Amino acid sequence: EAQVTQNPRYLITVTGKKLTVTCSQNMNHEYMSWYRQDPGLGLRQIYYSMNVEVTDKGDVPEGYKVSRKEKRNFPLILESPSPNQTSLYFCASSSGMSGGPYNEQFFGPGTRLTVL
Amino acid sequence: QQQVKQSPQSLIVQKGGIPIINCAYENTAFDYFPWYQQFPGKGPALLIAIRPDVSEKKEGRFTISFNKSAKQFSLHIMDSQPGDSATYFCAASLWDGDKIIFGKGTRLHILP
Repeated sequence: EAQVTQNPRYLITVTGKKLTVTCSQNMNHEYMSWYRQDPGLGLRQIYYSMNVEVTDKGDVPEGYKVSRKEKRNFPLILESPSPNQTSLYFCASSSGMSGGPYNEQFFGPGTRLTVL
Repeated sequence: QQQVKQSPQSLIVQKGGIPIINCAYENTAFDYFPWYQQFPGKGPALLIAIRPDVSEKKEGRFTISFNKSAKQFSLHIMDSQPGDSATYFCAASLWDGDKIIFGKGTRLHILP
C-alpha cells in the first residue's frame, strides 16, 4: 500500500530534550515536506526537500532541523524543543517530473507533539 | 505577497445545501490552486485542483470557481452530505515551484 508513515504518532516531552520524528514514504517520491498545524493558523510549511541531500526552509523553520540522506526518509529534528513547538505535525510527499508541490501531496497520519 | 486568505473559518450547512468556501491570494505568479480535505484524526488529502487557464472545474459534487482578475477562487459542494463534514484547506503555489502556501482552513459541518 502506497503510504507516508510517521513515528511516533503521539509524543509528550519536556523542554530541551532532543527528539526526532521520523517520516518515510514508499512511493519513490522526490519531494517531501514537513508542516505544522495549529488552531486558527492552518498548515504552515517548516522544511521541504526536492531530492536527496537537497533541503530548504519553509515559512516557519526556526527551532527545527531536517535531513534527507535517503530518498524515502525525511526526519524532523527538534534539538531543544520548547512549549511553542507543541503542535500537530504532518509529513507529506509528492512526485512528478521534477517533484514540487504542484503534484498531489500525500500526507502522513500526523504526529501530535506536546512539549511541557 | 505570499498569503492565502480563506473564509469563513467555520461553516454549518443543512444536508443538501451548497457550502461555499472562498480564498484570495496576493501573488499573481501563483498558477496552481489545490483544495485539500481533512477528516478528524487524518492527514489532509487532495480533493480537487485548478490552474488559471480555466474558470471552473468540476469533480463529482465538488466545483472550483476561479476568478483570475480578482485573484480569488472558491470551492462549492453540491448536494452536501454529512460525510462531507471536514476541514477544507485551499492552497496556492507555482506550477513548477517548490513552496506551497495554505489557507488557514474552514471547518465545515453538514447537519443531517
